[in-house]
This record gives sequence, structure tokens and C-alpha cells, in this order.
Amino acid sequence: LAKTTQPISMDSYEGQEVNITCSHNNIATNDYITWYQQFPSQGPRFIIQGYKTKVTNEVASLFIPADRKSSTLSLPRVSLSDTAVYYCLVGLNRDDKIIFGKGTRLHILP
Amino acid sequence: KAGVTQTPRYLIKTRGQQVTLSCSPISGHRSVSWYQQTPGQGLQFLFEYFSETQRNKGNFPGRFSGRQFSNSRSEMNVSTLELGDSALYLCASSLGRGPLEEETQYFGPGTRLLVL
Repeated sequence: LAKTTQPISMDSYEGQEVNITCSHNNIATNDYITWYQQFPSQGPRFIIQGYKTKVTNEVASLFIPADRKSSTLSLPRVSLSDTAVYYCLVGLNRDDKIIFGKGTRLHILP
Repeated sequence: KAGVTQTPRYLIKTRGQQVTLSCSPISGHRSVSWYQQTPGQGLQFLFEYFSETQRNKGNFPGRFSGRQFSNSRSEMNVSTLELGDSALYLCASSLGRGPLEEETQYFGPGTRLLVL
């Protein structure tokens, strides 16, 4: 499973757009990039998944450059309820052990 | 469609006891994975079951075991509990279509285990 690097924490304000970048230099050709959100004492919640370029859903956008060695999760107009830990995962190939990194602790301020 | 359910939600045990946790995956999902989450270690993969067979295993001692039933429901057992086993235990299910398919995992709410 590709190792990922994310910022440990980020602060932002309500109404702002938040971008969280994840580095994954050894991403494999068939690896997808998946982001999860986790609130305290709850299971992670799937946010978005992509392979290349840009993916958008009702919650977020995922930007992936051509070399795929990084990705950016974009949360538009965040609110206080977006305060959570965000995990970036690369590759969920069944032959590998699934490893969550430390994630990014996002704190939204009023 | 109902999500992943886990029972019980909270559990208190004492050292040396054993515990069994249950997970019901999303209907149609055949793969169930278990994770342990602690403040110090984060989310750690325990094992994955597919079609009643353990398909992948993390680096946990043999005290941690699991099984999967024909209806894809899964149980996890921890024997001879230690204080360090206090954690949030999470179950995740996915379709489990094949080894090279990119699988999205959907997590349950977790079981909070406290070992005294």
C-alpha cells in the first residue's frame, strides 16, 4: 500500500474553502485515491474517490495532477460541522494490508 | 439500504476476560474488515474476511481472531483481554469483487471497548 503524507492539522473559518493535500510518491499504476472523514467516536465515512484529474460530488472535489504523486481534497464553504479528521488512502488492493495514516485534523472556527 | 451495524456499541470488561464483537455488513457486501483505533496508534488493520475465509491479516497477536458466516456477518473475538486492548473497534464492509478491483469500504459506528 502506498505511503501517504498529510498535514497533521489545519485550521480554517466557516464559509472558507479548505484544501487538504496528500502526498503519495510511490502510487502504483492501478491505485485509486480515497478520502475518508471521521468524527470522534464514529467510524470513518467515505467522502470521495478518484484515479486522475478531477472528481466532484455533492460533498467535495478531488484534484489529482497528471503525475498522480499527490492529491488535494477540496471542501467548499466549510461549516463548524466539518471539524473532523480527514484520511487519505492510496490503493486498496486486497493483497496489501490497509493502512490508515494519522490523518489531518481539521478545525473549523466560527 | 441499511449501513454497517455493529453490536454492542459499548462494552466494559476486566483483564483476562474475553469478548466477542459482531458486525453486519451492508446487504450484498461480501468482504468484512476489522480495525482497532486508539489515540496513540490511530487506525490499525486487524483482518479481512471474504466468503467465510480470512483473506488478509494485520500485525496483531493470536488473541485477536475472527470469523465470517455464510450470510457475510462477521464476529471478532479477543481473548485474555489486556488493558491495552481498550479501543474503538471498527468494522468495514465492501463488495469484495476481486483482488484488483478498487474497493470502497463503508464503516460501521464501532464498538467502544474498555478493559479495566
